[in-house]
Amino acid sequence: DQQVKQNSPSLSVQEGRISILNCDYTNSMFDYFLWYKKYPAEGPTFLISISSIKDKNEDGRFTVFLNKSAKHLSLHIVPSQPGDSAVYFCAAINTNAGKSTFGDGTTLTVKP
Amino acid sequence: NAGVTQTPKFQVLKTGQSMTLQCAQDMNHEYMSWYRQDPGMGLRLIHYSVGAGITDQGEVPNGYNVSRSTTEDFPLRLLSAAPSQTSVYFCASSPHGGSGQPQHFGDGTRLSIL
Repeated sequence: DQQVKQNSPSLSVQEGRISILNCDYTNSMFDYFLWYKKYPAEGPTFLISISSIKDKNEDGRFTVFLNKSAKHLSLHIVPSQPGDSAVYFCAAINTNAGKSTFGDGTTLTVKP
Repeated sequence: NAGVTQTPKFQVLKTGQSMTLQCAQDMNHEYMSWYRQDPGMGLRLIHYSVGAGITDQGEVPNGYNVSRSTTEDFPLRLLSAAPSQTSVYFCASSPHGGSGQPQHFGDGTRLSIL
């Protein structure tokens, strides 16, 4: 039973437009949610996070929205740039258990 | 600042061989973890450690052993390699496991079992 799901394996967006990446979860014990970005042949790098007590967190071009009732979060990138092309992983943390659970990732391609 | 260092970057093994994947961090992080990533899939937790001398199993621990004798090092041992263990392995660390702090990842070890 996959507790964190990213239902879109890939997303293609034109440079300058908005990219929206989605993530759904099932475990109500998750209390932090994070997005990581991964380039080929490198490890994931942290992008942005949100606590379960908030519904929005913004950092420059990146905004994460959390809808707890729907158990859904999304990452918005505005405006999208070609350098944003990467695999994006959604991760959820149950701080009581001290473990992170990752989704399968979404490959974002930003076309010039 | 090196961060999380994994060695080797690539390795090919024969079925039944054993080996150790090395992971070291220089950030004095208490929490360290090992993940495997298979094609088209996310990262699955193998083992983790909340501090020196303490380890615990993750989602997919079978066939792997770990130890944490120092804060800096967290090696992953394959006892008897099997083709199903062909994967990319990532080591990660964070200041504490029981918080929402992000993990710092190494660049991975690509392992092929023939």
